[in-house]
Amino acid sequence: GAVVSQHPSRVICKSGTSVKIECRSLDFQATTMFWYRQFPKQSLMLMATSNEGSKATYEQGVEKDKFLINHASLTLSTLTVTSAHPEDSSFYICSARVANTGELFFGEGSRLTVL
Amino acid sequence: GDSVTQMEGPVTLSEEAFLTINCTYTATGYPSLFWYVQYPGEGLQLLLKATKADDKGSNKGFEATYRKETTSFHLEKGSVQVSDSAVYFCALSGGNQAGTALIFGKGTTLSVSS
Repeated sequence: GAVVSQHPSRVICKSGTSVKIECRSLDFQATTMFWYRQFPKQSLMLMATSNEGSKATYEQGVEKDKFLINHASLTLSTLTVTSAHPEDSSFYICSARVANTGELFFGEGSRLTVL
Repeated sequence: GDSVTQMEGPVTLSEEAFLTINCTYTATGYPSLFWYVQYPGEGLQLLLKATKADDKGSNKGFEATYRKETTSFHLEKGSVQVSDSAVYFCALSGGNQAGTALIFGKGTTLSVSS
């Protein structure tokens, strides 16, 4: 089946630094990718929707300057958490939509811990 | 707005027990409904789906029926196995339009012991 790879799976950083998380569709082209954030025992909350070659659409309450999303190609989207703080610690999950079928596939998630 | 409510876990069962995980939704229009499963250390995987009222999705012994009258999509399995231990997420999609994201419930952790 289709595979979506996220990297890194775990990252620990100091407060104030920026962290980049990559989401790659390994064997299909993804016209749309979604970024979710999951707090412990909470639902996956949609952060933003990114379409290849255009600016991401952010959900209400998500700071676009804080969470930079780039979708430069049909197989790669990146989420950069800028000037990370402890409250940004969370589990970030990406999802990619297959261009021709519309199916959705999820990455394994990336756990960010900000000290 | 649209939302999904699923029973809180954890759910702890013995092997071969019957499983029900309740899921209800609130949505405008006619959403598609999904169950996703996340095994330890892995990404979310689609378990089953239903796109219209009275549809039954099934896979790996799991079933769920889209009930419009009760706005529910409960997940059931007649006889669980240890390998079914995972987190289960109920989700809905507002439509088939390209770019529509899924809205998830909080997830229910299932633990099956032998």
